[in-house]
Amino acid sequence: AAGVIQSPRHLIKEKRETATLKCYPIPRHDTVYWYQQGPGQDPQFLISFYEKMQSDKGSIPDRFSAQQFSDYHSELNMSSLELGDSALYFCASRVRGGNNSPLHFGNGTRLTVT
Amino acid sequence: AQSVSQHNHHVILSEAASLELGCNYSYGGTVNLFWYVQYPGQHLQLLLKYFSGDPLVKGIKGFEAEFIKSKFSFNLRKPSVQWSDTAEYFCAAGGGSQGNLIFGKGTKLSVKP
Repeated sequence: AAGVIQSPRHLIKEKRETATLKCYPIPRHDTVYWYQQGPGQDPQFLISFYEKMQSDKGSIPDRFSAQQFSDYHSELNMSSLELGDSALYFCASRVRGGNNSPLHFGNGTRLTVT
Repeated sequence: AQSVSQHNHHVILSEAASLELGCNYSYGGTVNLFWYVQYPGQHLQLLLKYFSGDPLVKGIKGFEAEFIKSKFSFNLRKPSVQWSDTAEYFCAAGGGSQGNLIFGKGTKLSVKP
């Protein structure tokens, strides 16, 4: 069965560069969540989308933006990268419908800022 | 291939019952193991993690997990569940600070008051 696909798996950027992370949800999933997990840290919710509209916003820096496209894939755009942005970024998708629909996770994108 | 299997899709318990959620992994090399929880209406939280050392790991809210290398398992346990433990629990395996995470499909726990 198709899973949540994230690309790239690994990304190395320098400070002040930009990065774009992509998340392809499971077909027919209309809700996407983005999380950031720094080394040794708890996951931090960044942002979520439902039907191409932002549905919830967490601790996403102003330097970051995200959107969900008509095919329901989502992109997280990160500008003016800082060393502290080095983390694992993972996304999850589900079919909206209360809390009963299973959540599926991608394997994450490992971003390293040097 | 790397994978994480959670044996139970939905577990229903009464309050004060003991809990054990199974998690088995397939991962080459050094593995770090995690349990995450998502409470209804909330976002994902980290319950506990194992990197190395004592294979019995204690997490928040009275949860613990035991890493058994020979069984490729990292089962989550709690001696006495509460209604507030109703949530979805995810096991994940990763390859350290430079690795990615492989999530299991999750186990929904419903605790009846």
